[in-house]
Amino acid sequence: KAGVTQTPRYLIKTRGQQVTLSCSPISGHRSVSWYQQTPGQGLQFLFEYFSETQRNKGNFPGRFSGRQFSNSRSEMNVSTLELGDSALYLCASSRSGRPNTDTQYFGPGTRLTVL
Amino acid sequence: AQKVTQAQTEISVVEKEDVTLDCVYETRDTTYYLFWYKQPPSGELVFLIRRNSFDEQNEISGRYSWNFQKSTSSFNFTITASQVVDSAVYFCALIRLSYIPTFGRGTSLIVHP
Repeated sequence: KAGVTQTPRYLIKTRGQQVTLSCSPISGHRSVSWYQQTPGQGLQFLFEYFSETQRNKGNFPGRFSGRQFSNSRSEMNVSTLELGDSALYLCASSRSGRPNTDTQYFGPGTRLTVL
Repeated sequence: AQKVTQAQTEISVVEKEDVTLDCVYETRDTTYYLFWYKQPPSGELVFLIRRNSFDEQNEISGRYSWNFQKSTSSFNFTITASQVVDSAVYFCALIRLSYIPTFGRGTSLIVHP
């Protein structure tokens, strides 16, 4: 079955712009999580959506937002981009998001560069 | 607060050597889950193993083995007879019941032919 897909794979933006990243989970998966990976901070959890509701949120400013659609596809938005937002953004999906039973499957990521 | 420490930033070995990647964690929770992921150059993390805090059994899967010791808060990962394809960044992660994960900084493993 198809894996987690993320679009676009690469993106270049300038400071002050906004960006929307997309994630299509594996069919049947209702939980989608987003992560930011940078050399300086490592892998950090952004937020998790389940059945169109944000269920968990990491420690990121309000410029980072997301949403999930009824087909479980998810988007994340970053407004007023800063240089420090340059990162690999990873999306992961699982059936229910429960760590005791579920396995998260990761997409290949979107590499965002902010100039 | 919870924390995961992977003290080894980079490990370089020659093929067929055994290698152990260390992971030390901190949490006040009694119920938690520990994970190892592999991140090859392609970027996507690949799930390797999950262990819950009540199960201290060691596990072996082919050339991979894991040693979980609550007494030392460690969850170490050993690759036996390493291969070039094992070259990747390996992450240890801790997830509490709140489902918010904390990742270690990762260990870059380079296996030379």
